[in-house]
Amino acid sequence: DQQVKQNSPSLSVQEGRISILNCDYTNSMFDYFLWYKKYPAEGPTFLISISSIKDKNEDGRFTVFLNKSAKHLSLHIVPSQPGDSAVYFCAARSGNTPLVFGKGTRLSVIA
Amino acid sequence: DSGVTQTPKHLITATGQRVTLRCSPRSGDLSVYWYQQSLDQGLQFLIQYYNGEERAKGNILERFSAQQFPDLHSELNLSSLELGDSALYFCASSQGQGLEKLFFGSGTQLSVL
Repeated sequence: DQQVKQNSPSLSVQEGRISILNCDYTNSMFDYFLWYKKYPAEGPTFLISISSIKDKNEDGRFTVFLNKSAKHLSLHIVPSQPGDSAVYFCAARSGNTPLVFGKGTRLSVIA
Repeated sequence: DSGVTQTPKHLITATGQRVTLRCSPRSGDLSVYWYQQSLDQGLQFLIQYYNGEERAKGNILERFSAQQFPDLHSELNLSSLELGDSALYFCASSQGQGLEKLFFGSGTQLSVL
């Protein structure tokens, strides 16, 4: 049973436009959420996170929104750049339990 | 460069064989995590060690085992390999027991033929 779901395997966006990546979770005990980015032949790297006590966290072009009642979070990238093309993983945890990851969404930013 | 080193980068072996994957965590990190990424699957948590002791266990098969040594490097042993074990195996490390973000190595691509 997947506790963290990324229902869109892929997404294509034009350079300069907004990219919105979505993630749903089922475990109401999750209290911390992260996004990781992965380029080919590299390991995932941390991008941005949000605690369950917040509903938004911003870092430069990246913003994560959390809707606890809907058990949904999203990552917004504005403006999208070709270098943002990668696989994005949503992850969540409860307390200090190990991170649970989604299957990832492949973002392609077209110049 | 995350500071987490995994060797080898690629491993090709046959069914029924046994292999060992190695991970050196970032300097100062006490926790090591192993994750498996199969085709069409996300990162599946296998096992976590903290300062030499097993801390958490996920969907790790009985044919798989791991350990963390006194110098904090870790090894993941996979035995009686099956075709379905072909996957990308990632090691990650963190300073403490899990409240910090994880730093991932670049993975070991295992192909079982």
